Amino acid sequence: DTGVSQDPRHKITKRGQNVTFRCDPISEHNRLYWYRQTLGQGPEFLTYFQNEAQLEKSRLLSDRFSAERPKGSFSTLEIQRTEQGDSAMYLCASSLPGGGEKLFFGSGTQLSVL
Amino acid sequence: AQRVTQPEKLLSVFKGAPVELKCNYSYSGSPELFWYVQYSRQRLQLLLRHISRESIKGFTADLNKGETSFHLKKPFAQEEDSAMYYCALTRQTGANNLFFGTGTRLTVIP
Repeated sequence: DTGVSQDPRHKITKRGQNVTFRCDPISEHNRLYWYRQTLGQGPEFLTYFQNEAQLEKSRLLSDRFSAERPKGSFSTLEIQRTEQGDSAMYLCASSLPGGGEKLFFGSGTQLSVL
Repeated sequence: AQRVTQPEKLLSVFKGAPVELKCNYSYSGSPELFWYVQYSRQRLQLLLRHISRESIKGFTADLNKGETSFHLKKPFAQEEDSAMYYCALTRQTGANNLFFGTGTRLTVIP
């Protein structure tokens, strides 16, 4: 499968713990996005990278959230001191340069905070 | 601020019947509009975009700036059209993120 890959597929954690998710975009895509989706809602934009630079962050992204893309390839999203409200599907997407609107999505990481 | 509204969470139609999924938006500028689709056990994927004025899998969508709508239409629904459909907006061509509606689950009854 040469599409966007996310790991893990599912994560169950206790409130207060830290979690980290990984996203591997399609290799030639220089843009990488993180979205969050809760039940009954559409995906909500969290943050966006062009190569290794984080160019935009949503106000949804509290100080407990941090994303990195150190070498412009894979990205990680870390949530510190998780809260029950963080329970959601975390989606990663990538796109080609100049093709920002055609996003290729991964299967997502389903986070459950107990 | 931008907003995308999909008034129907669920929509059921019979096979062969016409289908229309509604999408309304609010944005003061000139947005770009898209429809994304998620079939069962598959990833979210782009269906069509208004700037391309294309028909994909028999679906079309026309941007109506006067009514601020971007409804998705198909004259004859097929069972394989059953899926979750999301309308989405960017603030300008090549913008960095999409704003999604809450989605409509379409069920085509055999």
